[in-house]
Amino acid sequence: SQKIEQNSEALNIQEGKTATLTCNYTNYSPAYLQWYRQDPGRGPVFLLLIRENEKEKRKERLKVTFDTTLKQSLFHITASQPADSATYLCALDTGGGNKLTFGTGTQLKVEL
Amino acid sequence: NAGVTQTPKFQVLKTGQSMTLQCAQDMNHNSMYWYRQDPGMGLRLIYYSASEGTTDKGEVPNGYNVSRLNKREFSLRLESAAPSQTSVYFCASSEAQGQETQYFGPGTRLLVL
Repeated sequence: SQKIEQNSEALNIQEGKTATLTCNYTNYSPAYLQWYRQDPGRGPVFLLLIRENEKEKRKERLKVTFDTTLKQSLFHITASQPADSATYLCALDTGGGNKLTFGTGTQLKVEL
Repeated sequence: NAGVTQTPKFQVLKTGQSMTLQCAQDMNHNSMYWYRQDPGMGLRLIYYSASEGTTDKGEVPNGYNVSRLNKREFSLRLESAAPSQTSVYFCASSEAQGQETQYFGPGTRLLVL
C-alpha cells in the first residue's frame, strides 16, 4: 500500500540548534514534494516545494532535500527559534489535478 | 485579499442531520479541494475540483457531496451526518496545472453527536 511516514513523536530541540524532520514514502513516484507548517487551530501554510530532479532547495533558514532513490525528504530549520514551534507536514504529488497526499506531520517544539 | 474563507467555524450536529460547509477563494484559482483532518490520520482528500464545472472523488468521498458553484465557491454537503464524520474540515485552492502550492482556509470544526 502507498504510505507516507513522518516522525510521530514530537521533536524537542533547543533554541539556536538545527531541527531536522524526516519524510519517508513508499510506492509513490512523486513529481514533487512539499512541506507545510500548521499551527494549532489553523490551516496548513505552504513553505517549500522541491521537484524530483532537484536535490536541495533553500529559503532563508529552511532547507529541504529530496532523495528519490531512498524515497526520503529531509526538512531542516537552522538557528531554530521558539516561533518555529508548530507541526510540519510533508505532502506528495500523487496525480493530476494537483492532488496531494499528506503525511501525519511532526510536531516541533523549540525551547529556550 | 481574504484568501480562502470557510463557514461556519464550528458546528454541532445530531446524527442524521444535514449541513453544507461553505468555502470561497478570492485568488482566481482554478482548483479547489476539501480535506478532513483527524488525529493520527493526517489530512485526507475528500473531493476536489480541478476546474470550474468539474468535480472528482478523493480518498474518502463516502457520505459527502460537493458543488463547484462557480470559480470562487466550492461547497461540501453532508446529507446524513454520522459520528464518524466528526472532524476538522479544510478547504484549499490552487492555481492551474504547474502551480502546485495549495492555500488553505482556517477550517471548520464539526462535531456529530
